[in-house]
Amino acid sequence: GDSVTQMEGPVTLSEEAFLTINCTYTATGYPSLFWYVQYPGEGLQLLLKATKADDKGSNKGFEATYRKETTSFHLEKGSVQVSDSAVYFCALSDLNTGGFKTIFGAGTRLFVKA
Amino acid sequence: NAGVTQTPKFQVLKTGQSMTLQCAQDMNHNSMYWYRQDPGMGLRLIYYSASEGTTDKGEVPNGYNVSRLNKREFSLRLESAAPSQTSVYFCASGTGETQYFGPGTRLLVL
Repeated sequence: GDSVTQMEGPVTLSEEAFLTINCTYTATGYPSLFWYVQYPGEGLQLLLKATKADDKGSNKGFEATYRKETTSFHLEKGSVQVSDSAVYFCALSDLNTGGFKTIFGAGTRLFVKA
Repeated sequence: NAGVTQTPKFQVLKTGQSMTLQCAQDMNHNSMYWYRQDPGMGLRLIYYSASEGTTDKGEVPNGYNVSRLNKREFSLRLESAAPSQTSVYFCASGTGETQYFGPGTRLLVL
């Protein structure tokens, strides 16, 4: 079945450092790919998405490119801030007989130090 | 526009007690979902409802029941709580691929 694997955390960075969080997926169809972010004590929020190969999703300085050849959707940000400290979830969504099904990775916790 | 709301925010139960977690959305979404979040395991789908009047099992349905009361509301019931059901429960709604999450219910079963 479909699955999502993302790098284990926690990831600890200093402010203004470059961020990469790796995500790879396995899917039988042609899923859409997502990054969700969860701030402390809150639910998940959509950060960005890409719906087909070579699409780049971007939001709030974060970006990720849908790479079909490597089945990857790595999250990057050029200069992180303390306010980016959160848990980041990679996910895929595919259309099944019962509607859209979303599979989430285990999450990667990011700590950004001032 | 409140989005997705969940009640209660926090609950402590004793083993064998029952309770219902409530979820409501005001975005006119057809689909609604219940997930549980456990450390190191991401989110696992318990049940979902693709449209009003339909419900289907997800990855971990045992020990839970759901009711899609109307288009807005989707409740999750634990008939006889067990310590293994200690978790954070998230409700979500969506139309198409993107999901919108509530703030979660933290449940502790002693």
